[in-house]
Amino acid sequence: GAVVSQHPSRVICKSGTSVKIECRSLDFQATTMFWYRQFPKKSLMLMATSNEGSKATYEQGVEKDKFLINHASLTLSTLTVTSAHPEDSSFYICSAREDRGQETQYFGPGTRLLVL
Amino acid sequence: AQTVTQSQPEMSVQEAETVTLSCTYDTSESNYYLFWYKQPPSRQMILVIRQEAYKQQNATENRFSVNFQKAAKSFSLKISDSQLGDTAMYFCAFTQYNNNDMRFGAGTRLTVKP
Repeated sequence: GAVVSQHPSRVICKSGTSVKIECRSLDFQATTMFWYRQFPKKSLMLMATSNEGSKATYEQGVEKDKFLINHASLTLSTLTVTSAHPEDSSFYICSAREDRGQETQYFGPGTRLLVL
Repeated sequence: AQTVTQSQPEMSVQEAETVTLSCTYDTSESNYYLFWYKQPPSRQMILVIRQEAYKQQNATENRFSVNFQKAAKSFSLKISDSQLGDTAMYFCAFTQYNNNDMRFGAGTRLTVKP
């Protein structure tokens, strides 16, 4: 149980285009999902907290107009990187927290974004 | 603010041996959860073990166990009978009860040698 999928696993795009990443909790409901960014050989950096039916909460320094988050259902959150630039190239990981509590986050397999 | 410190950037262990990864944290809260996550080369984050702060008994999951010292704010992970598949980055993480924030340590890269 507690499986989180993330799609796509890898994407290459041109500078200026937008990219959408999907995060799904496959076998549990998740009112709250999280989006992280991970630089090579570094720890996870929380970008935003996604709440079903309400606006996402962004961490300081994360541009909400650039990283659009939509949490339309209890099993799906999307992150759209708008007008991507090469500095947005990174590994993006989502996680979902079970609604039943215990505060455990289950992670998706990540998306490697390369902006040319 | 809560902080999580992993003071060992890299460690190695021989196959079948035991290794302990260290983690300390700082908080003024009494209700919280602690976690160890494993990130192998595939980069998929995998939950290894979880500890609730109100439980005095140390959590155990097969070959993985923790030494939770609440007063010392220490949460070490012991891996027994190390296997090659244990080679990964290990992250210690902390979250308060009923709080969205999960704080991660910088990670410890563990290599299991044959």
